[in-house]
Amino acid sequence: EPEVTQTPSHQVTQMGQEVILRCVPISNHLYFYWYRQILGQKVEFLVSFYNNEISEKSEIFDDQFSVERPDGSNFTLKIRSTKLEDSAMYFCASSLGTAGTDTQYFGPGTRLTVL
Amino acid sequence: GESVGLHLPTLSVQEGDNSIINCAYSNSASDYFIWYKQESGKGPQFIIDIRSNMDKRQGQRVTVLLNKTVKHLSLQIAATQPGDSAVYFCAENAYMDTGRRALTFGSGTRLQVQP
Repeated sequence: EPEVTQTPSHQVTQMGQEVILRCVPISNHLYFYWYRQILGQKVEFLVSFYNNEISEKSEIFDDQFSVERPDGSNFTLKIRSTKLEDSAMYFCASSLGTAGTDTQYFGPGTRLTVL
Repeated sequence: GESVGLHLPTLSVQEGDNSIINCAYSNSASDYFIWYKQESGKGPQFIIDIRSNMDKRQGQRVTVLLNKTVKHLSLQIAATQPGDSAVYFCAENAYMDTGRRALTFGSGTRLQVQP
């Protein structure tokens, strides 16, 4: 069964450093997403991406964040200058159709720890 | 993805019993709803979805009920098994301020199945 994969599973970084979280969505899916989950809290939407551009983003997704689909298989989330409060689980998801019409399938997540 | 959730509501059931997990959603314009299961250290896993033109949908051992009048969603798990122990999230396809839609997660319920 096809699945979303994410690397690394755990990333530790110093405050102020840049990090790139990587995802490989399900191959025939067209819509890609990033979510985060701070420990003990609910999953929060960050951004959706379609046709090589951002289609929606939340207020969490500020100028420190960017996304890219550098090739036909990878989807990345970059945090330019990490802050302590960026520590969280980051989940990538993909769907065949839009958020309103189709199921999103999630990857296993990357745990980001900012020291 | 840890949902340690010190303040997560917890439902404790005996193996073999039926479980009912409830969720109140916020946006009366939401028209697509999904239940996800999240085990410790993993990403949200799709269980079942329902669109607003239905009030009930059944899967394998799971049933989702939608009451649009009171904006309430429930997940029923028949013959609950130890492997069902996890945190369960409902998610609604909600409109953001931009007028576009994104998936918004509820705060989750921890299901504990006693053998």
